[in-house]
Amino acid sequence: GAGVSQTPSNKVTEKGKYVELRCDPISGHTALYWYRQSLGQGPEFLIYFQGTGAADDSGLPNDRFFAVRPEGSVSTLKIQRTERGDSAVYLCASSLLAGRTGELFFGEGSRLTVL
Amino acid sequence: GNSVTQMEGPVTLSEEAFLTINCTYTATGYPSLFWYVQYPGEGLQLLLKATKADDKGSNKGFEATYRKETTSFHLEKGSVQVSDSAVYFCALSGTGNQFYFGTGTSLTVIP
Repeated sequence: GAGVSQTPSNKVTEKGKYVELRCDPISGHTALYWYRQSLGQGPEFLIYFQGTGAADDSGLPNDRFFAVRPEGSVSTLKIQRTERGDSAVYLCASSLLAGRTGELFFGEGSRLTVL
Repeated sequence: GNSVTQMEGPVTLSEEAFLTINCTYTATGYPSLFWYVQYPGEGLQLLLKATKADDKGSNKGFEATYRKETTSFHLEKGSVQVSDSAVYFCALSGTGNQFYFGTGTSLTVIP
């Protein structure tokens, strides 16, 4: 399809394990965003890529979280030593034009549950 | 800093009722403003946007006007339908290319 694809759609893991979440943006979109959404809350900004580089990673909560986008397309969000508080839906969005007038196109999210 | 405050939910309306969901913002500079909608089982999608003061965004019968003087972007629809049942998020995008979202307002429309 032509939309933003996120895998896995659901991930259940145990506390302390390592997790990778993948995002495949819309072809040609240079801007890519990761958000985290907890139940009953709005999306919380984590990191924004423009091309291959992280233009703003100020939303990453701590050094257990890391994201890469090595070829300027697919991105992977990596979470080390997972904690129960990391349980949330992780959303990826891409945009042709970053920021102000650019529309974000969201994937359906990866639901992470840490037991 | 940048932030968005929107009306607490949930909101329950009868079909054909008038809808208002309030949204106010705090921003440096001149942000763009958005309403996103999340239908059950789907990802967030853009409903409408406005990029400068006094602009009116509209789509699917929904409207919102960018009011700089009151720092507001309230969402309105004159006659809601059951299919409008969803969660609505107000958002802004500022100079840093980040998007800031409100906490969402759940709307249920009953026949």
